[in-house]
Amino acid sequence: GAGVSQSPSNKVTEKGKDVELRCDPISGHTALYWYRQSLGQGLEFLIYFQGNSAPDKSGLPSDRFSAERTGGSVSTLTIQRTQQEDSAVYLCASSYTGSNSPLHFGNGTRLTVT
Amino acid sequence: AQSVTQPDIHITVSEGASLELRCNYSYGATPYLFWYVQSPGQGLQLLLKYFSGDTLVQGIKGFEAEFKRSQSSFNLRKPSVHWSDAAEYFCAVGAETDSWGKLQFGAGTQVVVTP
Repeated sequence: GAGVSQSPSNKVTEKGKDVELRCDPISGHTALYWYRQSLGQGLEFLIYFQGNSAPDKSGLPSDRFSAERTGGSVSTLTIQRTQQEDSAVYLCASSYTGSNSPLHFGNGTRLTVT
Repeated sequence: AQSVTQPDIHITVSEGASLELRCNYSYGATPYLFWYVQSPGQGLQLLLKYFSGDTLVQGIKGFEAEFKRSQSSFNLRKPSVHWSDAAEYFCAVGAETDSWGKLQFGAGTQVVVTP
C-alpha cells in the first residue's frame, strides 16, 4: 500500500504570504504527527492528532501555525504570514495507536520563504 | 524536559569497518529511545527502539544499540558497514507520559562511507 504522502514536495513563497501543507497518512493510521526539520537541526515536534481527541499543539512555535485533521485522515498544516525563519522541511508521520506501531514518515515538504 | 545529544556531527568510516554512533539523553524516568535513519531523498526509517527489558536491542539492517542507564547513553553500532549505510542518523527520546510518537530528536550524525 501507499506510504505517507505529502504535498507539495517543494514550496517557495514570499515573506508574509500564507501557505498550506498537506499530509495524507497511511489508511487506517489513527495517529498523525507534524515535525519540522531546519537545516542542520534534528526534528522538532509541532503537533499530534490521535483519533477524535483534541490535538496536542504543544510544539507549535507561534500562533501563526495551525493544523487540522479532517475526518480522521488528511491533515493540513497552515502557516500564516510566513517569515524567513519558517524555512525548513516539514515532515508528517502516521501510525496505529500503541507503542509497537512505528512512525511512518513522509518525504516532507521543503518550504523556502524568500 | 527530555533532551538528546549526538556529539558527532559527521563521521567517516571505511566500508567493512565497524561503526558506532553516540547518543546521550537527559530524562528523569525511563525513556523510550529510538534510532532513525534518513537516506538521501528518502523519509526517515526506524532502525530500532528501546522501551524496557533487555538493554541490547537488535534492529534492521544489522544495527544494534545498547541502553546504559548509568551513562544515559543509547549508542548505535554496526560491526561491518556497507556503502548503502551512508545516511544521516537520528537518536530520539520519548516520554512514557506522552504519546510515544511525540519525540525529542538529536541533531543527527552524518555518516560517510569510503571505499
